[in-house]
Amino acid sequence: DAKTTQPPSMDCAEGRAANLPCNHSTISGNEYVYWYRQIHSQGPQYIIHGLKNNETNEMASLIITEDRKSSTLILPHATLRDTAVYYCIVYGANSKLTFGKGITLSVRP
Amino acid sequence: NAGVTQTPKFRILKIGQSMTLQCTQDMNHNYMYWYRQDPGMGLKLIYYSVGAGITDKGEVPNGYNVSRSTTEDFPLRLELAAPSQTSVYFCASSFIGRTGGTEAFFGQGTRLTVV
Repeated sequence: DAKTTQPPSMDCAEGRAANLPCNHSTISGNEYVYWYRQIHSQGPQYIIHGLKNNETNEMASLIITEDRKSSTLILPHATLRDTAVYYCIVYGANSKLTFGKGITLSVRP
Repeated sequence: NAGVTQTPKFRILKIGQSMTLQCTQDMNHNYMYWYRQDPGMGLKLIYYSVGAGITDKGEVPNGYNVSRSTTEDFPLRLELAAPSQTSVYFCASSFIGRTGGTEAFFGQGTRLTVV
């Protein structure tokens, strides 16, 4: 299974953009990049996913490098409610949906 | 759609007891997953299923069993509960096809304590 590497933590100021990096150098051609977040002990919440093109939705933007070996999740205007653990995952039809340790984002007032 | 429903939400078991955690989804998803999450840790995959009648081990399968007799249901069985199985358990489902798939949808979790 493809693995991902994320820094353990980061913080940003409320109202500023939060850029969360992820490395996935062993990603396979048919695997997507997914981002989830988990607030407290709730079930993980889907944020966004992509294959090779950049994607944007109402929550975030996903920038995937041309070689697909890394990506960045962008929360354009972070709020205190965005404080959570963010997981970058790669998976597809032939891989298991496994979670790493994620990155803890702390948004400060 | 109810999404992914887990029951019970909370349970206390005595050492050596057995129980089944129920998980059902109404989205006709082919993939289903069981995870456990210990305090302050990430999610660990216990078992998963790519369709009815097919199950496979994840990262931490010891002490658990699963079955997938229907598309909708994916129960997780603990045969001899041990304190090490105290955790929060999450069930999830997704659809994955040859040309793409959906994101995984998670249940609200089952908080299990073994004493």
